[in-house]
Amino acid sequence: DTAVSQTPKYLVTQMGNDKSIKCEQNLGHDTMYWYKQDSKKFLKIMFSYNNKELIINETVPNRFSPKSPDKAHLNLHINSLELGDSAVYFCASSQAFSGGADTQYFGPGTRLTVL
Amino acid sequence: ILNVEQSPQSLHVQEGDSTNFTCSFPSSNFYALHWYRWETAKSPEALFVMTLNGDEKKKGRISATLNTKEGYSYLYIKGSQPEDSATYLCASRAGNKLTFGGGTRVLVKP
Repeated sequence: DTAVSQTPKYLVTQMGNDKSIKCEQNLGHDTMYWYKQDSKKFLKIMFSYNNKELIINETVPNRFSPKSPDKAHLNLHINSLELGDSAVYFCASSQAFSGGADTQYFGPGTRLTVL
Repeated sequence: ILNVEQSPQSLHVQEGDSTNFTCSFPSSNFYALHWYRWETAKSPEALFVMTLNGDEKKKGRISATLNTKEGYSYLYIKGSQPEDSATYLCASRAGNKLTFGGGTRVLVKP
């Protein structure tokens, strides 16, 4: 059973389009995250939701909007895609947000290519 | 130290040899230090979480230590095997954010 799943795995689209990436976790975790792997291969936090509430919102363009319909899902919607949005996006989840010692479990990543 | 830094960026190890590498992190407002193992084309997989100064964790041939006062952690691989080849990421929790280092890419040569 896949613990943290993302769809699609690959996404190729044109500049200016709007696209969504979906994330689901079946671990019963309270907290979910979106990371972007930048050109230097660093993982940078974008958003974090705890029990469907936004708790971390890094300096990310307004074109990126996370949506958490329930505790098990955190989707990422991107408007007006730009070339610089091309990257691998990772979803993760952890048991709880408080403390920070909780292990994060990562999804397989979604490779977004904007042409 | 303002960011999480890992060194070296990459290293080659002969099969059977032991190796270690470093993660440096800001010691102020520290809460936890995570180590992840990341194989190519897969997702990061948790190895250890450490919170207390002097913590030591071990998983098989891999172990880690933590010094929160000076802001560093070491990861050790004993008797490296080809399957240990991966990028090893550390991440420091300070406040409400987990900040990742750039990773140390380990290649174990048979």
